[in-house]
Amino acid sequence: DAGVTQSPTHLIKTRGQQVTLRCSPKSGHDTVSWYQQALGQGPQFIFQYYEEEERQRGNFPDRFSGHQFPNYSSELNVNALLLGDSALYLCASSLRTSVPYQETQYFGPGTRLLVL
Amino acid sequence: AQSVAQPEDQVNVAEGNPLTVKCTYSVSGNPYLFWYVQYPNRGLQFLLKYITGDNLVKGSYGFEAEFNKSQTSFHLKKPSALVSDSALYFCAVSFILTGGGNKLTFGTGTQLKVEL
Repeated sequence: DAGVTQSPTHLIKTRGQQVTLRCSPKSGHDTVSWYQQALGQGPQFIFQYYEEEERQRGNFPDRFSGHQFPNYSSELNVNALLLGDSALYLCASSLRTSVPYQETQYFGPGTRLLVL
Repeated sequence: AQSVAQPEDQVNVAEGNPLTVKCTYSVSGNPYLFWYVQYPNRGLQFLLKYITGDNLVKGSYGFEAEFNKSQTSFHLKKPSALVSDSALYFCAVSFILTGGGNKLTFGTGTQLKVEL
């Protein structure tokens, strides 16, 4: 049973560029969440996708956008990159249930983005 | 604001000794708490969660956590530490999102070092 996969594993960009990160959820999962983990910090919630729609966003600007496809995979796009966007970007998948507080999120290995 | 705190940046323990990684929470209403572990250059791996019921929760790899409502704590424990347990541990609290699903808010992490 394949877990959550992410690509690419590493990425180097320059300020002002745009980047697209990809995520395939764990088999049977229908919900994808994205998190940003800066060095030495805990992951911060960016947004969540379910039924191909962004359901809720954390405290991140509109430069961060995403998409979910019919097969539940997802992309995270970041425009106009800033030095401060350098971080590990984590994708997590879960199965939507009638008791959301019990839903467990399973994380992928992450994409490490370096902005120069 | 609802949050979790991990008061120790690092915990050192000798192999074979019991280990405890501390987490306290500040949540209005019922807390839904999770523990994850992160190995170098890897994503987060789910260890266990507390939803309701027994205050002692058993999880993966021999880990368990004790929920204490009066002390607002959810400490991670293992009776006998292994060198391979050395990693970064995160406590998290689950929040229900508008329209369903949940997001995780993480602590700052505790680096566990198990020495021979």
